[in-house]
Amino acid sequence: ELKVEQNPLFLSMQEGKNYTIYCNYSTTSDRLYWYRQDPGKSLESLFVLLSNGAVKQEGRLMASLDTKARLSTLHITAAVHDLSATYFCAPENYQLIWGAGTKLIIKP
Amino acid sequence: KAGVTQTPRYLIKTRGQQVTLSCSPISGHRSVSWYQQTPGQGLQFLFEYFSETQRNKGNFPGRFSGRQFSNSRSEMNVSTLELGDSALYLCASSSPEGGTSNTGELFFGEGSRLTVL
Repeated sequence: ELKVEQNPLFLSMQEGKNYTIYCNYSTTSDRLYWYRQDPGKSLESLFVLLSNGAVKQEGRLMASLDTKARLSTLHITAAVHDLSATYFCAPENYQLIWGAGTKLIIKP
Repeated sequence: KAGVTQTPRYLIKTRGQQVTLSCSPISGHRSVSWYQQTPGQGLQFLFEYFSETQRNKGNFPGRFSGRQFSNSRSEMNVSTLELGDSALYLCASSSPEGGTSNTGELFFGEGSRLTVL
C-alpha cells in the first residue's frame, strides 16, 4: 500500500529563516509533485520532479527528489510571509495518494 | 487559455438528497480527476477519467460515481448524501498522453464546496 508522510505537518517560522519540509513515500515512484494551497483556495502546481536527482527551484523554494531513498524535500530559503500556505506532495503519475499537507505559517 | 472550471462553486443539500458536480477541463486535456478534501481526511482521490473511460478509482462507496463526456467534460454524482460528504470537491485535468508535455502535472479547478445539512 502506498503511503505518503509529510513532516512536519505544521510549521510556524519567522521571516528570513530557512527550513525544509520532508516527503517520504513507501513504494517505488519515479515522479513526485509539489502543490501549494492557500486558505480557501484550490491547489496550484509548484514543482514537477520527473527523475531521481531532479532539482527544481522557483524563487525561495527548491525541491529535490531521491527516488532510491523515496524522499523528496522542499526547502525554503529566507522565508517571506507570502509563502504562508499548505504544501502537499504526491508521488505517482496518477497522484492517487497525497501527503497530509504541511501548513506553513510565516510570521513577519 | 481558460483554466479548469467547476460548477457550482457552492451548494447546500440535505441528507438523502443527491448532487451532481460539473467540471470542464483545460482545452486539449483528456484526463480528469476528482478529489475530496476535508479537514479530517485531507485530500482523497475519487476517480480519474480518460477518453470517457474510468481509469482509476479511489476507495469510496458506490454512492460516488462519475462520468466523462466526449468533449472531456466530466461530472460526478453523489447519491443519498450523508453529513460526512460535506467537503470541497476538486477537479483536476492533465495534459495529453504522450509527448514531452505529458508530465502528469495536475491543473485544479476552484472546487465545489458542498455542505450537507
